[in-house]
Amino acid sequence: NAGVMQNPRHLVRRRGQEARLRCSPMKGHSHVYWYRQLPEEGLKFMVYLQKENIIDESGMPKERFSAEFPKEGPSILRIQQVVRGDSAAYFCASSPVVDTEAFFGQGTRLTVV
Amino acid sequence: ELKVEQNPLFLSMQEGKNYTIYCNYSTTSDRLYWYRQDPGKSLESLFVLLSNGAVKQEGRLMASLDTKARLSTLHITAAVHDLSATYFCAVDWGETSGSRLTFGEGTQLTVNP
Repeated sequence: NAGVMQNPRHLVRRRGQEARLRCSPMKGHSHVYWYRQLPEEGLKFMVYLQKENIIDESGMPKERFSAEFPKEGPSILRIQQVVRGDSAAYFCASSPVVDTEAFFGQGTRLTVV
Repeated sequence: ELKVEQNPLFLSMQEGKNYTIYCNYSTTSDRLYWYRQDPGKSLESLFVLLSNGAVKQEGRLMASLDTKARLSTLHITAAVHDLSATYFCAVDWGETSGSRLTFGEGTQLTVNP
């Protein structure tokens, strides 16, 4: 059983471009969480999704960021018009049911140049 | 807003010594996690603590939880170089459903030969 798969592992974007980060949860997991880790900091919750639904996006910046988890395919975190401050590691986690431990992927390290 | 504070943030210790990392949090929670992160890597789950008085041990690491004091500790016994990493505690604040975590700032541990 493969773990939580994120791709790409590393992503470089120029300011103003779009970044798309993908997360395939573990098999049988229908709950997905995205976190952002700025350099030298802990992880910060961004958004919690179930299939086709955003449950909690209280940690998402109000502009330029969006997330989805379609019926088929991976969850996508999309950042439009990236700025240098978006440079961070973005981690996805998944869990099978509510109120159980979520398992983290390897992360995508976004660098905005 | 849930706050999670760790101390110390930086810890340099000699091999063979013992030390404790502290994690304080500001509101009640049913679940507390300890993670290890190596540079550039994802989070490795170390312990899940689910109830007051819970104590778990794995090798040279032991974690405990006091929900009344809102305090968890991670105790390191006879440290070895391989334990060098950053350690995070995280508190689950998903009130109704889902595992949403607030992380501490992390404790960067360096074990010197």
